[in-house]
Amino acid sequence: EAQVTQNPRYLITVTGKKLTVTCSQNMNHEYMSWYRQDPGLGLRQIYYSMNVEVTDKGDVPEGYKVSRKEKRNFPLILESPSPNQTSLYFCATTKNIRGQIYEQYFGPGTRLTVT
Amino acid sequence: KNQVEQSPQSLIILEGKNCTLQCNYTVSPFSNLRWYKQDTGRGPVSLTIMTFSENTKSNGRYTATLDADTKQSSLHITASQLSDSASYICVVSVRYGGSQGNLIFGKGTKLSVKP
Repeated sequence: EAQVTQNPRYLITVTGKKLTVTCSQNMNHEYMSWYRQDPGLGLRQIYYSMNVEVTDKGDVPEGYKVSRKEKRNFPLILESPSPNQTSLYFCATTKNIRGQIYEQYFGPGTRLTVT
Repeated sequence: KNQVEQSPQSLIILEGKNCTLQCNYTVSPFSNLRWYKQDTGRGPVSLTIMTFSENTKSNGRYTATLDADTKQSSLHITASQLSDSASYICVVSVRYGGSQGNLIFGKGTKLSVKP
């Protein structure tokens, strides 16, 4: 079954305590992306990766890091979380072959609260 | 600046009625336009994807239209059901080289279907 998994699904943490949210996909997709969703603001892209070892900033990258060492995983790292990073986070993946358009699949979301 | 605007922000309709959601965009160069359905607290799920040359696409009771000249799209829901209650998000993809690039998200229309 095609899947995008995120862990943890829920996390409450304190300011400054480093955390990692994992994202894994079993569809061999080249393109992976992280979004945050806040009330009234919609989904905003944090970082994306076109393929292994290739990452780029999205619209709101400040305070986040990512890595893409292998095709299936794209972890989101918050080195020093702050309360303004309290949000609902989604990982998404899609194939990315030149000239073709593919559907994007979203993970189930991670609700993060930073106190 | 690349932008996607959706209207209305929210909508309440009675079960069995039809409705139409609007999306205007200023994205260039254009690759494709997508409509997603997002249930509360869950990841968005794709309804339709349309390229420049397509002006209508259906997925069951959902029909999307695209006017690339006026940069407008609409999503028409026929014979609404209680399960249609969700947020509907319009997303436009920027063309990057010969492939789809960054995705620009609208803030969504929150639809409530009442019995």
